Amino acid sequence: ETGVTQSPTHLIKTRGQQVTLRCSSQSGHNTVSWYQQALGQGPQFIFQYYREEENGRGNFPPRFSGLQFPNYSSELNVNALELDDSALYLCASSFEGYSYEQYFGPGTRLTVT
Amino acid sequence: AQSVAQPEDQVNVAEGNPLTVKCTYSVSGNPYLFWYVQYPNRGLQFLLKYITGDNLVKGSYGFEAEFNKSQTSFHLKKPSALVSDSALYFCAVRDTGNQGGKLIFGQGTELSVKP
Repeated sequence: ETGVTQSPTHLIKTRGQQVTLRCSSQSGHNTVSWYQQALGQGPQFIFQYYREEENGRGNFPPRFSGLQFPNYSSELNVNALELDDSALYLCASSFEGYSYEQYFGPGTRLTVT
Repeated sequence: AQSVAQPEDQVNVAEGNPLTVKCTYSVSGNPYLFWYVQYPNRGLQFLLKYITGDNLVKGSYGFEAEFNKSQTSFHLKKPSALVSDSALYFCAVRDTGNQGGKLIFGQGTELSVKP
């Protein structure tokens, strides 16, 4: 097991609502990345946090925001949900500066109706 | 733009036969390459990586991958496939631009191993 955990496992929201997804990084890792995986697609990078600062962002609008906490846990917040936000959201932790592989959690399946 | 391509949506192999899942990449500079596997309703599991060194990289569960710089390829291989290897496989490259440790993934290849 990778040690990365995510909650909740599944979530159903209505268009226009807001959602918060949570991630607990693997012990000793200082970096967390979030990805969106639509059905039948590869994961798409949303953003990355390193030592509580955003360290890179993909092509996602500002209504996607995040936080990383001192214990390296993390949140992904999505405001004004749209139907196209329905996807599997994956959190990945890594130890930047030491190794390059990212270890993924099981994901949160978000359905927007 | 940096990218990864997996030209086959699906690969079918008989158990015990060798398997190859193809990946080609396009990056500026030296590539950092990865293979991940995804089982249904699960996250991605890291299989192996190429950063530098030997072109043949060995990873988890008997998988290996061959880095070929001239062909910009990083094909995943296994000498003898198992039914339990059936899953979705993703090739990824680390972004060398100003995107932190962003991984760029291919579309995935569904591997089906039949008894």
